[in-house]
Amino acid sequence: GAGVSQTPSNKVTEKGKYVELRCDPISGHTALYWYRQSLGQGPEFLIYFQGTGAADDSGLPNDRFFAVRPEGSVSTLKIQRTERGDSAVYLCASSLVRGNEQFFGPGTRLTVL
Amino acid sequence: GESVGLHLPTLSVQEGDNSIINCAYSNSASDYFIWYKQESGKGPQFIIDIRSNMDKRQGQRVTVLLNKTVKHLSLQIAATQPGDSAVYFCAEANFGNEKLTFGTGTRLTIIP
Repeated sequence: GAGVSQTPSNKVTEKGKYVELRCDPISGHTALYWYRQSLGQGPEFLIYFQGTGAADDSGLPNDRFFAVRPEGSVSTLKIQRTERGDSAVYLCASSLVRGNEQFFGPGTRLTVL
Repeated sequence: GESVGLHLPTLSVQEGDNSIINCAYSNSASDYFIWYKQESGKGPQFIIDIRSNMDKRQGQRVTVLLNKTVKHLSLQIAATQPGDSAVYFCAEANFGNEKLTFGTGTRLTIIP
């Protein structure tokens, strides 16, 4: 079956702009995760959804970052007033239920100029 | 193959040899550990996991060893193949807590 998909694959924006990154999890997976990966580093946890609710958003760096999952499937990560330091690959993962193996998407590479 | 520690983030191994990738984890409360493989331009791919009540687990060509006394995790890959070339990350978590904490990774290069 289809894996986790993320769009766009690449996003270039200017400092101060607003961006939205989309994640389509594996069908039927109830848990969804966002991570951020800087060059040469391992992924860093941002937020976790169980169903429609954000169960743990402790990894969001500040209030410019926000994520939603209104129908318990697709999720959108929103970044306001982007800064150059936001440049990274944003990874989404899903799992069938909490505690199970997390399947990662290919990521969205965000570049803030 | 040869073993490396965290201070050597790259490892080159002849095709067919065995490789060992090491990882030190920081949180003594972690009870769930996973190895991921990440190829260029792709997301991490699950390889194998182990819970803290075990010290060894084997998969297909891979073995994970866990030493809780010194908070050390290793991944052994047998009979390496060119397709094994990638960056390998260890990750730790509390089972049931969804937040994975990843290490910085080791780049494995298989020499034909």
